[in-house]
Amino acid sequence: GAGVSQSPSNKVTEKGKDVELRCDPISGHTALYWYRQSLGQGLEFLIYFQGNSAPDKSGLPSDRFSAERTGGSVSTLTIQRTQQEDSAVYLCASSPPIQGLNTEAFFGQGTRLTVV
Amino acid sequence: QKEVEQNSGPLSVPEGAIASLNCTYSDRGSQSFFWYRQYSGKSPELIMSIYSNGDKEDGRFTAQLNKASQYVSLLIRDSQPSDSATYLCAVLHSGAGSYQLTFGKGTKLSVIP
Repeated sequence: GAGVSQSPSNKVTEKGKDVELRCDPISGHTALYWYRQSLGQGLEFLIYFQGNSAPDKSGLPSDRFSAERTGGSVSTLTIQRTQQEDSAVYLCASSPPIQGLNTEAFFGQGTRLTVV
Repeated sequence: QKEVEQNSGPLSVPEGAIASLNCTYSDRGSQSFFWYRQYSGKSPELIMSIYSNGDKEDGRFTAQLNKASQYVSLLIRDSQPSDSATYLCAVLHSGAGSYQLTFGKGTKLSVIP
């Protein structure tokens, strides 16, 4: 079946502009994560959605970052007034409902964001 | 702060040898543990999951978990140059009705032909 799909794969934007990044999870996966990976660095947790529960936003680095998930499926990560330090690869992952132990998460191909 | 620690490497092994990758985690209540492989410029790819103490084998890969020591490892037997990548350890932990999948910074493995 189809994997996690992210769009766009690459985005170049001017400093100060807003950007929207999209994630379409694997069908039936109710858990969805966003991470950020700067060049040569590890994965930084941003936000977690589980079904209709309130999202865990504890990883969002500033109030310029927000995310929503419509209908429990597609998620959009929005960065307002982009800064050069926002340049990174933004990764989305989805997993089955976190009940019991089957919690394997699968990643999309990522969106490489460059702020110039 | 839940932490996952890995030696950043690089770890270099000759082709055909066993590569041993290690990971420790801070949250004693963690239940699910994963190893991902990430090639340069690509997204992480899940290669192993382990949930109970002991060993789990899948082909050339063996994951080992010791919850008492809060330690997870990955062994790669008969290492191949195509195994050269960064290996990420990930731990799922819960708290306050939510979950977080926390990653270590990764160990870079180089398999020398």
